[in-house]
Amino acid sequence: AQSVTQLGSHVSVSEGALVLLRCNYSSSVPPYLFWYVQYPNQGLQLLLKYTTGATLVKGINGFEAEFKKSETSFHLTKPSAHMSDAAEYFCAVSDPGGGNKLTFGTGTQLKVEL
Amino acid sequence: KAGVTQTPRYLIKTRGQQVTLSCSPISGHRSVSWYQQTPGQGLQFLFEYFSETQRNKGNFPGRFSGRQFSNSRSEMNVSTLELGDSALYLCASSLSSSSYNEQFFGPGTRLTVL
Repeated sequence: AQSVTQLGSHVSVSEGALVLLRCNYSSSVPPYLFWYVQYPNQGLQLLLKYTTGATLVKGINGFEAEFKKSETSFHLTKPSAHMSDAAEYFCAVSDPGGGNKLTFGTGTQLKVEL
Repeated sequence: KAGVTQTPRYLIKTRGQQVTLSCSPISGHRSVSWYQQTPGQGLQFLFEYFSETQRNKGNFPGRFSGRQFSNSRSEMNVSTLELGDSALYLCASSLSSSSYNEQFFGPGTRLTVL
């Protein structure tokens, strides 16, 4: 069975500071990995995904994540936080060949302060 | 291109009733997945439909069911509602049932069970 752990249910950063949201996964096979963002009263929007190939993945809005197989991690980073980044972020995994079933982490609420 | 639409956006029901939620995927998308989001359990996969067939099923009781029509629109039904069914129900569409595809989420239907 797959599982996803997101360390820190709440993260607070200053505007312009580095954003680091942590995600570790547990899977019997190398999974596909995703980061989604959810703004209040909205659905989820894909930030980036890793399936195969280059382990450093760039996404929308300046976010990127690095797949580290040895650490079973897929941490999300952004060099400089903006007020508009305040939202809830979810890491998710899917099983290659297992259809569109996503297993989500519990989410990290990002707060950006002036 | 129009996004994923879900109707209704808000719904209030009483215990014991049943409810039907509707999801219209992005034009051309043939896979529709459903997720339940609650503060306590987070985001949990309900089921996935692809070409009118259930492709995957999560760990939910039989009171939760779904179907997909030939135009890819999908409905989910919850019978004999319980208080714990109060949640945001999210629908996601994807081009196919390949697990590397991006899933596009709708805004959700917020169900309140009294």
